[in-house]
Amino acid sequence: GENVEQHPSTLSVQEGDSAVIKCTYSDSASNYFPWYKQELGKRPQLIIDIRSNVGEKKDQRIAVTLNKTAKHFSLHITETQPEDSAVYFCAASKNTNAGKSTFGDGTTLTVKP
Amino acid sequence: NAGVTQTPKFQVLKTGQSMTLQCAQDMNHEYMSWYRQDPGMGLRLIHYSVGAGITDQGEVPNGYNVSRSTTEDFPLRLLSAAPSQTSVYFCASSPTGFRQPQHFGDGTRLSIL
Repeated sequence: GENVEQHPSTLSVQEGDSAVIKCTYSDSASNYFPWYKQELGKRPQLIIDIRSNVGEKKDQRIAVTLNKTAKHFSLHITETQPEDSAVYFCAASKNTNAGKSTFGDGTTLTVKP
Repeated sequence: NAGVTQTPKFQVLKTGQSMTLQCAQDMNHEYMSWYRQDPGMGLRLIHYSVGAGITDQGEVPNGYNVSRSTTEDFPLRLLSAAPSQTSVYFCASSPTGFRQPQHFGDGTRLSIL
């Protein structure tokens, strides 16, 4: 089955710096890659997603890039703010296998004021 | 719309007890799933359903049962609780399983003594 590895497991940055989280996946048939943000004690919530026919997608300070050849995708957060502090999860799924998602283990991002 | 509603929010059980975690969604989503979240291990799929009357196993199904008699409801049953089932449980739904983000409930924090 699909295997998703996420790095780093923890990341600490100064406010205003950029943060990058990377995920690699094993199944070349995977074609949908969402990122979720989970604040402490809260539910995971989608922040951005990308489909395999697109190489990059941006939404204000957040961007995701996808390299299908290398089978990895990355989350980029620019001009980080303390409210960006949370756990971020990547996931991968494909059109077969009922579209089940496989999640990475998460990255704890801390933005220091 | 309430989205995905999970009850209870917290529960303490004794080893060997059984219970049902409730999940309901009002978005007419076909795909529903149950995850457990343990520290440092991300979200692991327990069971999922692609529509009323259809369920299947995920990565970690042992000790859990599900049913899907209606589109709205997807209860998770613990048959005989064990300390290893202490975790936070999230229910999620999406319009279909394919290339769609999942909408998560607020979670149920379950402790087995």
